[in-house]
Amino acid sequence: DAGITQSPRHKVTETGTPVTLRCHQTENHRYMYWYRQDPGHGLRLIHYSYGVKDTDKGEVSDGYSVSRSKTEDFLLTLESATSSQTSVYFCAINEGRGDTQYFGPGTRLTVL
Amino acid sequence: TQLLEQSPQFLSIQEGENLTVYCNSSSVFSSLQWYRQEPGEGPVLLVTVVTGGEVKKLKRLTFQFGDARKDSSLHITAAQPGDTGLYLCAAHAGGTSYGKLTFGQGTILTVHP
Repeated sequence: DAGITQSPRHKVTETGTPVTLRCHQTENHRYMYWYRQDPGHGLRLIHYSYGVKDTDKGEVSDGYSVSRSKTEDFLLTLESATSSQTSVYFCAINEGRGDTQYFGPGTRLTVL
Repeated sequence: TQLLEQSPQFLSIQEGENLTVYCNSSSVFSSLQWYRQEPGEGPVLLVTVVTGGEVKKLKRLTFQFGDARKDSSLHITAAQPGDTGLYLCAAHAGGTSYGKLTFGQGTILTVHP
């Protein structure tokens, strides 16, 4: 199994508060991704990274920012959480030699 | 934005039945993948198909990539309760897309004993 951890695994927060989710990998993979999963929508890409300090937006990036200061860590920040950001968030990594993405266990975020 | 239409969204069947899940798009993809996800976990790759017309088998699961590389199907023979889960198709456009995948909406399969 790919070494990917996400923290926290569960979080409940209030509207307007900042939230940071962490993805940590031990595989030294170049590519990292943040997705959100909502019923009826599959997985939708929020942001991705193709190297340290190299990030770009996905299809649902509004309200989210990311940072990657080290190969192993990819942070997702909700500057001011809204109820529409209640979701399950998945981090994934890609070794770059193929298209297989390995997913973390997910973070369930509830914004009240 | 490339779209993948997956059908059906929900499938509830009895143990021993056969089923097929479809994944369709108007776009051509360099490869297409099928993932399976269990509750509380992340998706796990089942198979990648690359060549138009390709058929791959994984025990009771048969995966097919359309000749034009725009669609795919997953067929399960003699479904078992252990097959219960969310099945997702995902496609990679190729080129310099940094490995980004577009996912279908998913099919929730429930197999009753």
